[in-house]
Amino acid sequence: AQSVTQLDSQVPVFEEAPVELRCNYSSSVSVYLFWYVQYPNQGLQLLLKYLSGSTLVKGINGFEAEFNKSQTSFHLRKPSVHTTHTAEYYCAVTQAGSARQLTFGSGTQLTVLP
Amino acid sequence: IAGITQAPTSQILAAGRRMTLRCTQDMRHNAMYWYRQDLGLGLRLIHYSNTAGTTGKGEVPDGYSVSRANTDDFPLTLASAVPSQTSVYFCASSESGSAGGSTDTQYFGPGTRLTVL
Repeated sequence: AQSVTQLDSQVPVFEEAPVELRCNYSSSVSVYLFWYVQYPNQGLQLLLKYLSGSTLVKGINGFEAEFNKSQTSFHLRKPSVHTTHTAEYYCAVTQAGSARQLTFGSGTQLTVLP
Repeated sequence: IAGITQAPTSQILAAGRRMTLRCTQDMRHNAMYWYRQDLGLGLRLIHYSNTAGTTGKGEVPDGYSVSRANTDDFPLTLASAVPSQTSVYFCASSESGSAGGSTDTQYFGPGTRLTVL
């Protein structure tokens, strides 16, 4: 079985502050990991994904995430955020080499305050 | 502009009524998905299709049915709507199916907000 936990349902920060959105997963086999972003009243779009190789993954809009196998984590980070980054962020996991579907976390609402 | 379209944008429905949510993609993607999004629960997969002519059950399939007669369309039907089906429904697609482990990006439509009274 696979599952993903997003530890914070809401993260408020001030503009230009750094931010880390936490994601932990559970799986007995190798995984692929994804971060998606959902802006208000829109569908989800991919920020970045980890498939293999370098554990530091860089995505769009200056976001990055680090895969940590020993801690089963895939935290999303950005050194400086702006009000335009206010959105819901979803971590997702699927088992590599299987027919399993993508499993999403419950989401983290990032609110960037001016 | 290429992408996924969903219809209707929103709908209020009486319990017991039948409803079909429409989803069309023009990217010629093989795989398509239906999710429901509920506060505190994130996205949960209802049904999926790895290729035209095949469908599969996701995490929460009860009360829903799908068909995939062609590559582009993937309608979701609620045969007899109940209030617990009040949700926002997202359709998505990806280039290949999940068989073998999907590394593909999923592309999402704008969603349908459904209220069942």
